[in-house]
Amino acid sequence: SAVISQKPSRDICQRGTSLTIQCQVDSQVTMMFWYRQQPGQSLTLIATANQGSEATYESGFVIDKFPISRPNLTFSTLTVSNMSPEDSSIYLCSVGGQRYFGPGTRLTVT
Amino acid sequence: GENVEQHPSTLSVQEGDSAVIKCTYSDSASNYFPWYKQELGKRPQLIIDIRSNVGEKKDQRIAVTLNKTAKHFSLHITETQPEDSAVYFCAANDMRFGAGTRLTVKP
Repeated sequence: SAVISQKPSRDICQRGTSLTIQCQVDSQVTMMFWYRQQPGQSLTLIATANQGSEATYESGFVIDKFPISRPNLTFSTLTVSNMSPEDSSIYLCSVGGQRYFGPGTRLTVT
Repeated sequence: GENVEQHPSTLSVQEGDSAVIKCTYSDSASNYFPWYKQELGKRPQLIIDIRSNVGEKKDQRIAVTLNKTAKHFSLHITETQPEDSAVYFCAANDMRFGAGTRLTVKP
């Protein structure tokens, strides 16, 4: 199993600002996944992050809006840029081929 | 990419009854099908998964069946208990999730 932590656990941000979410895993993993879960909805894959290469983004998500870093095999960050109220969601990282999820970051944009 | 459809969206059963949730997928190359349970305010938890080389897998009161020809798979929960109440998600192996089923087990 993998133990995953995320920071921050929640935040309230102003429109137009950016927030960087951190995901830390207790073991080395090749792929890390970032998901968004809007209130009452399912999980939507934002991007897949491999260490040492550019992240792969899903349709509807772009690097300028959701830049991702993957500096090593245990850590990744997702930035939500130029935020609007529509970005209010829970953001989760996942490893182990979807088997394990972090606790999530609850973002509210006002 | 994969399209995963999940039914029903809500399901209410009496304690002790069985619950069945169904998902269909579109990509015949898909070979891994996990199911997740998400309680309110918590992260999704993998509860059971199946690979395309088997037709059924059981873990105590939970089972998953897979029909590759029809491209659908189902979650079966027997002897339901109130603590089974949660939202359940299916997924296919390119990381796409179904819309979710809210299961309520009435005591």
